[in-house]
Amino acid sequence: QVQLVQSGAEVKKPGSSVKVSCKASGATFNFYTVTWVRQAPGQGLEWMGRIVPFTGLTDYAQKFQGRVTITADKSTSTAYMDLSGLKSEDTAVYYCATGMYYRETNSYSDFDSWGQGALVTVSS
Amino acid sequence: EIVMTQSPLSLPVTPGEPASISCRSSQSLLHSNEKNYLEWFLQKPGQSPQLLIYMGSNRASGVPDRFSGSGSGTDFTLNIRRVEAEDVGIYYCMQALQTPYTFGQGTKVDIK
Repeated sequence: QVQLVQSGAEVKKPGSSVKVSCKASGATFNFYTVTWVRQAPGQGLEWMGRIVPFTGLTDYAQKFQGRVTITADKSTSTAYMDLSGLKSEDTAVYYCATGMYYRETNSYSDFDSWGQGALVTVSS
Repeated sequence: EIVMTQSPLSLPVTPGEPASISCRSSQSLLHSNEKNYLEWFLQKPGQSPQLLIYMGSNRASGVPDRFSGSGSGTDFTLNIRRVEAEDVGIYYCMQALQTPYTFGQGTKVDIK
């Protein structure tokens, strides 16, 4: 299983930006999606978007279009999630997850391994 | 956007007894390849979510066989054959048919 290690907690002002990193160990990083999911305090899970590091192709939730940018550095097996125009409602734990192809069932999941999460607090 | 609805939202359980969580989607998750794009996750207290079930009924690596997923189309169920104390947490279903992937509200499982 791939190990994902995320950057630490951040405190940001409203209107600013935050960039969270997600470093993967394992040779499969480039070929499977890296997905970002967030969880507001005491709330459920929300899919934000994903990237395929090998191709650089991204897919974002419409809710975050124009505010989120997901990138990946193949040389360091690190993915990044950049969220701009921060509001208090963006206070949440941000998780990255990576996928896996399961040969035995010829199936795939985007969520085989998860990072430990990074708390982003937006406060004036 | 596909809406996912779980029930119950709270489930007190007795260790050794079975437990069941239901998940319904606003549209069919059955793909033309005959696979159901439905996943189940468990988020234990203070931890990141972990994948339990993918494609409706396949256990992820390392998941105990007391967990099983069933259902097709719009109605799915996660069953725990005999609940253990370590199974407490919040269970989420999620549709992986189309982006944005969407999650159910979560079902909180705790010990009676």
